[in-house]
Amino acid sequence: AQTVTQSQPEMSVQEAETVTLSCTYDTSENNYYLFWYKQPPSRQMILVIRQEAYKQQNATENRFSVNFQKAAKSFSLKISDSQLGDTAMYFCACLNTDKLIFGTGTRLQVFP
Amino acid sequence: GAGVSQSPSNKVTEKGKDVELRCDPISGHTALYWYRQSLGQGLEFLIYFQGNSAPDKSGLPSDRFSAERTGGSVSTLTIQRTQQEDSAVYLCASSLEFRPGGYTFGSGTRLTVV
Repeated sequence: AQTVTQSQPEMSVQEAETVTLSCTYDTSENNYYLFWYKQPPSRQMILVIRQEAYKQQNATENRFSVNFQKAAKSFSLKISDSQLGDTAMYFCACLNTDKLIFGTGTRLQVFP
Repeated sequence: GAGVSQSPSNKVTEKGKDVELRCDPISGHTALYWYRQSLGQGLEFLIYFQGNSAPDKSGLPSDRFSAERTGGSVSTLTIQRTQQEDSAVYLCASSLEFRPGGYTFGSGTRLTVV
């Protein structure tokens, strides 16, 4: 069975600082995709960044980057220059075949 | 429409009643997913529709839960004889066929069973 684990229920960071959210996963597939989603209070899930497992290069989207360690099955999200608008729940997810499997989320609070 | 629309936004129901939750996917999106998000939990997969194929119902927690998708567009998730443990946010997403990461989520329906 495919599982995604986020071991940090809550994190906080000061504005303009950098924070890293952890995620580990388990899958028996060779070809899969990994994602980080942001869920603000509006409840809508917003795609932050995605990584294709066959690509060794870590994905980057502006202030967001990942550290993908395939052998360790680790997929952490780094947020640089944190902004107040980054305050939200963050979910790590793994796509296998046709459906996303999500972790339990990390609540991130950015303080001024 | 421009996005995935879910209705109602919030629903309070009495234990034992049936409820219907609606999802309007993005026009042209052939894949539609239902997820459940319980308090403090991640998103739990419920059911997946892809075109005219038989739906993947492997995530439905009990036979009280069912879903249908009419005309390849609108989907309705029905929960019969609701229980307090059914209280959660129910999220719908749609995508163009199999497109990794191409899911667009709605804002969900918050269901409270009292």
